[in-house]
Amino acid sequence: AQTVTQSQPEMSVQEAETVTLSCTYDTSENNYYLFWYKQPPSRQMILVIRQEAYKQQNATENRFSVNFQKAAKSFSLKISDSQLGDTAMYFCAFSGGGADGLTFGKGTHLIIQP
Amino acid sequence: DTAVSQTPKYLVTQMGNDKSIKCEQNLGHDTMYWYKQDSKKFLKIMFSYNNKELIINETVPNRFSPKSPDKAHLNLHINSLELGDSAVYFCASSQRWTSGSGSTDTQYFGPGTRLTVL
Repeated sequence: AQTVTQSQPEMSVQEAETVTLSCTYDTSENNYYLFWYKQPPSRQMILVIRQEAYKQQNATENRFSVNFQKAAKSFSLKISDSQLGDTAMYFCAFSGGGADGLTFGKGTHLIIQP
Repeated sequence: DTAVSQTPKYLVTQMGNDKSIKCEQNLGHDTMYWYKQDSKKFLKIMFSYNNKELIINETVPNRFSPKSPDKAHLNLHINSLELGDSAVYFCASSQRWTSGSGSTDTQYFGPGTRLTVL
């Protein structure tokens, strides 16, 4: 079974700063997918970014980028030029593909201070 | 247009009652899921359906019964509700497609249903 670990329960940074959220996972599979989801106070789960394990290139989406280290089984999320609207719970998630459900980490509560 | 919708958004009920949560997706996806998010925000898969067929049934009490009348709908029925069932329940859907040398699934979530059992 896969496990996903987010070791930072809460983080707080000033607006416009860069912040990195950490995520490690454990799996015996070679092909899989990793995701970061954002959950603001509205509780909607919003996809931030995804990474296919077979791709060496790190995924980027505007201010969001990942540092994917397959050998180390690490998948951190970097948020550049943080904004107040980035305040939310951030979940790292693993999928083995197919109709498997996502395995989630426990989440990091990110607070952006004005 | 809402991609994945759930009704109701809030549900307050007494212990012992039976209730249902409905989920519909208009994305044309083949696979639908139910997740439970507990009071500590931990999300866990409950069920997975692919083309109306049950694929995953995690360790969930048999008081929980998913029903998929068609590919676009996956409803969750809960019998004899207990205090510990209080949580937020999320429906999600995904579509497999091939990309390069692999396949990829992105799950899109509904807005969640907050269930409170008194």
